[in-house]
Amino acid sequence: DAGVIQSPRHEVTEMGQEVTLRCKPISGHNSLFWYRQTMMRGLELLIYFNNNVPIDDSGMPEDRFSAKMPNASFSTLKIQPSEPRDSAVYFCASTRTGGAEYGYTFGSGTRLTVV
Amino acid sequence: QQQVKQSPQSLIVQKGGISIINCAYENTAFDYFPWYQQFPGKGPALLIAIRPDVSEKKEGRFTISFNKSAKQFSLHIMDSQPGDSATYFCAASKGSGTYKYIFGTGTRLKVLA
Repeated sequence: DAGVIQSPRHEVTEMGQEVTLRCKPISGHNSLFWYRQTMMRGLELLIYFNNNVPIDDSGMPEDRFSAKMPNASFSTLKIQPSEPRDSAVYFCASTRTGGAEYGYTFGSGTRLTVV
Repeated sequence: QQQVKQSPQSLIVQKGGISIINCAYENTAFDYFPWYQQFPGKGPALLIAIRPDVSEKKEGRFTISFNKSAKQFSLHIMDSQPGDSATYFCAASKGSGTYKYIFGTGTRLKVLA
């Protein structure tokens, strides 16, 4: 398996532009998570899905952020409009039914820079 | 109550020494405590994990010590090597069927050759 695949690896955009981050989870994993990592706040859970259904989006910072999972093999995180404070590394992770102890598999992340 | 507090923020250890990273939690409903290791430019990867029904778990040079009454757990890296230089995150989760981890803020470990 190729692991969790995220794209793009790096994104530089201007303030006010729309940004879309993409994630392909591991086949057979039915839970997907979006995390944001910054030096100041560490790893923050933004939203997670079970069987393509959003379960907890309490970590989504504001209405500018939205996430979708149209099928078991694809998810997007969209920021519109983007702001400089959104600059961070965004990780997608997946895991399978059976509970947290199977562990998450993280992607390599998307480094977002908003100028 | 949902927080997991991790210390120290950074750690420098000589090769061959013992690295110790500590975490504390408040929510007694947490029942699964993993540690993740992250190298620069990569996503975190599961290193070792423990449930509160045991006080210690060892895998190679990595050991988790768990103190349920104090609501604390720690990662010990024995015979630390330069290749262990990475950022380490503790985490906590509650209940089977609940997949949500709460992560600590991370510890940046540097092992000097």
